[in-house]
Amino acid sequence: DGGITQSPKYLFRKEGQNVTLSCEQNLNHDAMYWYRQDPGQGLRLIYYSQIVNDFQKGDIAEGYSVSREKKESFPLTVTSAQKNPTAFYLCASGQSMNTEAFFGQGTRLTVV
Amino acid sequence: GIQVEQSPPDLILQEGANSTLRCNFSDSVNNLQWFHQNPWGQLINLFYIPSGTKQNGRLSATTVATERYSLLYISSSQTTDSGVYFCAVPAQGGSEKLVFGKGTKLTVNP
Repeated sequence: DGGITQSPKYLFRKEGQNVTLSCEQNLNHDAMYWYRQDPGQGLRLIYYSQIVNDFQKGDIAEGYSVSREKKESFPLTVTSAQKNPTAFYLCASGQSMNTEAFFGQGTRLTVV
Repeated sequence: GIQVEQSPPDLILQEGANSTLRCNFSDSVNNLQWFHQNPWGQLINLFYIPSGTKQNGRLSATTVATERYSLLYISSSQTTDSGVYFCAVPAQGGSEKLVFGKGTKLTVNP
């Protein structure tokens, strides 16, 4: 099946630890995105990538890092510098930046 | 940057009722998307609708780009329609990142 796969679904992290969220797509899309959602809120953009080996900061990039070494994969690392990392993280992809975007099922990160 | 406002923030319906959700945006755009976020958090694509009207079963959407708004119509609502509905537009009206509204939370009671 074509789609976007995020893993894990739930993740618990101790304060001070880095953690990496996985996002893989088999839709042959060039553009990929990471969004953060807090309870009762809309989505805010963390990072986006229009093409392999290139990515740009979104609105709330501080404390996060990404890589885009393969077209299919866009992992997000939540570093210890992120002050309030507990949130729901959503990955998306699209044919290009100005086309329909499709989302994965999300990863719920909790800092304990 | 572009602002996106959705109304109403909350909506409670009885099963079978119709509803209209609104999305206003502050600048001209060349595409707009409607999503339904289900209780498990996944965003489901409803419509990709830069302008005009589209229909999919009990749902339809209309975007009037010149007046900077879009409407999502839900007819004969069902309990499975419950969740949060988001609209999203490109940040600068063109080929940029998507900016989301804060959503409309719909509850359909049996």
